[in-house]
Amino acid sequence: NAGVTQTPKFQVLKTGQSMTLQCAQDMNHNSMYWYRQDPGMGLRLIYYSASEGTTDKGEVPNGYNVSRLNKREFSLRLESAAPSQTSVYFCASSEEIAGETQYFGPGTRLLVL
Amino acid sequence: KQEVTQIPAALSVPEGENLVLNCSFTDSAIYNLQWFRQDPGKGLTSLLLIQSSQREQTSGRLNASLDKSSGRSTLYIAASQPGDSATYLCAVSPDKLIFGTGTRLQVFP
Repeated sequence: NAGVTQTPKFQVLKTGQSMTLQCAQDMNHNSMYWYRQDPGMGLRLIYYSASEGTTDKGEVPNGYNVSRLNKREFSLRLESAAPSQTSVYFCASSEEIAGETQYFGPGTRLLVL
Repeated sequence: KQEVTQIPAALSVPEGENLVLNCSFTDSAIYNLQWFRQDPGKGLTSLLLIQSSQREQTSGRLNASLDKSSGRSTLYIAASQPGDSATYLCAVSPDKLIFGTGTRLQVFP
């Protein structure tokens, strides 16, 4: 089992460019999440998907969109990148939305110039 | 709004010491509390999950306690080792996880 995988590992964008961060899990989990981690701010939830076919906003959704492509895959899209979106992005999954251990991917480091 | 605080922000101890990391939260209406470990440049690894009905959980040299009424949790690490050096994060779950900012632990030989 690979667990939770994320691509790419590192990306540099110019302001205004777009990109999609990919996440996949092989644990047959129902729920998936996207977080961003910034120094001094901890991890903050961007979007989550409680189950296949559903997505909901988290704490900091502005500037992002998500797609739950199927049960395994959950992508995060930046339509027009801004320097404020420079961060480390983590994808996670769990069996259900509440009360379950979350498993994290290795992260994507994004630099927006 | 739920807020999670971890004190201290950083801790440096010699190998072999027993140590306690603290986590406090403002709203006691939680499903569970989780402790994670994060190594530099890596993702998070779940260490312990305590359900709201439980008082503590143990895994090896780690013991986590939960006092919902006072909004506190502690992570106890026995006989610390240099390999324990990492950032430790706690998170509470009303439904979705809300994280503290972590305690950066360094254990020196």
